[in-house]
Amino acid sequence: GAVVSQHPSWVICKSGTSVKIECRSLDFQATTMFWYRQFPKQSLMLMATSNEGSKATYEQGVEKDKFLINHASLTLSTLTVTSAHPEDSSFYICSATRRSALSNEQFFGPGTRLTVL
Amino acid sequence: GEDVEQSLFLSVREGDSSVINCTYTDSSSTYLYWYKQEPGAGLQLLTYIFSNMDMKQDQRLTVLLNKKDKHLSLRIADTQTGDSAIYFCAERDTGGFKTIFGAGTRLFVKA
Repeated sequence: GAVVSQHPSWVICKSGTSVKIECRSLDFQATTMFWYRQFPKQSLMLMATSNEGSKATYEQGVEKDKFLINHASLTLSTLTVTSAHPEDSSFYICSATRRSALSNEQFFGPGTRLTVL
Repeated sequence: GEDVEQSLFLSVREGDSSVINCTYTDSSSTYLYWYKQEPGAGLQLLTYIFSNMDMKQDQRLTVLLNKKDKHLSLRIADTQTGDSAIYFCAERDTGGFKTIFGAGTRLFVKA
C-alpha cells in the first residue's frame, strides 16, 4: 500500500509551452501533498505544500504564477509549469502524506523528468 | 533556519560496512529519516528514527542518533553492489509536515 504515482514520467517540450504533471496517491487519501525539484547531483528542494481544497503554500523564491498547483481531491495534485524555459528543466518529485498513528508518513512518487528545449 | 549536512561521496568494497553520516541543526526535530534514491528514480524510505531514540536496527541497517551532537548515522552491513545509490538524510520539522533534506551521499560499492 501507500503508492504514489506521477504522470508523465518524462516530458520534453518547447520553450514557451506549459506542462502539467500529475501526482496521485493510488491507495490512500493524502492529507497533504508536496512538490519538490531536484537538479542533477543535488538534493530535493521543496517548492510548495498543498492541501486539498486550499491554496498551495509556496517556498521562498518559488514563483507561484509560474508553478501552478491544483489540489483538486484527496488523491490528486497537479503542478503546471507555465511558459517553460530551459532553466525549468529538472526532475520534479511529488510526495503525499498519510496520517497514521505513528507519524505523518510521507510517500514519494517516482519523479517526472522535464526537459525544455 | 534548519539545515542538514552530509558528506557527498563514500566508496566501499562489496561485503564491507558503509557508514553514512549526517548532522542537523534543528534540535526540536521529531523524526529523522534516511532515504535511498537510485538513478532516475524517486525516493525510497529506508528507515526513520524518533528523536527520543538512540538506535534503531532493521536487518542490515543500523541508525544511530546522538542528540547532543545533532549527529545521525546510517550503517549498512555487508554492503552489496545493489546498495549503490544516493542516500539522503532528512529531518521533519516541529510542525510535522515540512521535511528538510541533506544534499545526499553518493555511495559507490566496488565489487
